[in-house]
Amino acid sequence: QLQLQESGPGLVKPSETLSLTCTVSGGSISSSSYYWGWIRQPPGKGLEWIGSIYYSGSTYYNPSLKSRVTISVDTSKNQFSLKLSSVTAADTAVYYCARHITIFGVVHWFDPWGQGTLVTVSS
Amino acid sequence: EIVMTQSPATLSVSPGERATLSCRASQSVSSNLAWYQQKPGQAPRLLIYGASTRATGIPARFSGSGSGTEFTLTISSLQSEDFAVYYCQQYNNWWTFGQGTKVEIK
Repeated sequence: QLQLQESGPGLVKPSETLSLTCTVSGGSISSSSYYWGWIRQPPGKGLEWIGSIYYSGSTYYNPSLKSRVTISVDTSKNQFSLKLSSVTAADTAVYYCARHITIFGVVHWFDPWGQGTLVTVSS
Repeated sequence: EIVMTQSPATLSVSPGERATLSCRASQSVSSNLAWYQQKPGQAPRLLIYGASTRATGIPARFSGSGSGTEFTLTISSLQSEDFAVYYCQQYNNWWTFGQGTKVEIK
């Protein structure tokens, strides 16, 4: 079945750029039926959608993060990536990647999710 | 931004009892609502989409209802594995989550 796995540094310094990659296995990232998304969860808090990307490169970004977020896709590696610039302690969170279900071009819910990776912003 | 408000924040229920969780949207989201279950140290798992359609493999004791701005997730008879945090998410206008309801053992 489809699996997603996040990877990247677990510690990032303030003002630097957080970079994570999600590797998709058991299915193609180039499917026309899905976007691919990033969601984060600060410790002990709720979930926040960060952004989503289609295999063609079309993106949606959370307006509250848009100025700092870049999501890209590499179909040859079946991966998509997140970059979040100018990070602060408030960006400390578990970062999840997930398949973003798309039906007739409309993007809906997330399923399945990767296991998540904790990124701590600290000097 | 559509704000999703879940209540209560914590629900204490005995095994075998019924649990009713609420989710309210700041404006109508039609039936464009999903529910997720999250256990400690795990990723969220999709339970319900379209406000009332169970995802693949989800037991029938989980049911969703509602439309517009008011939604309910009901767990008819709580099993030990159901104690977790539950989130609602709207996908009518961008994608936002509620703050979660923790279902704990009474």
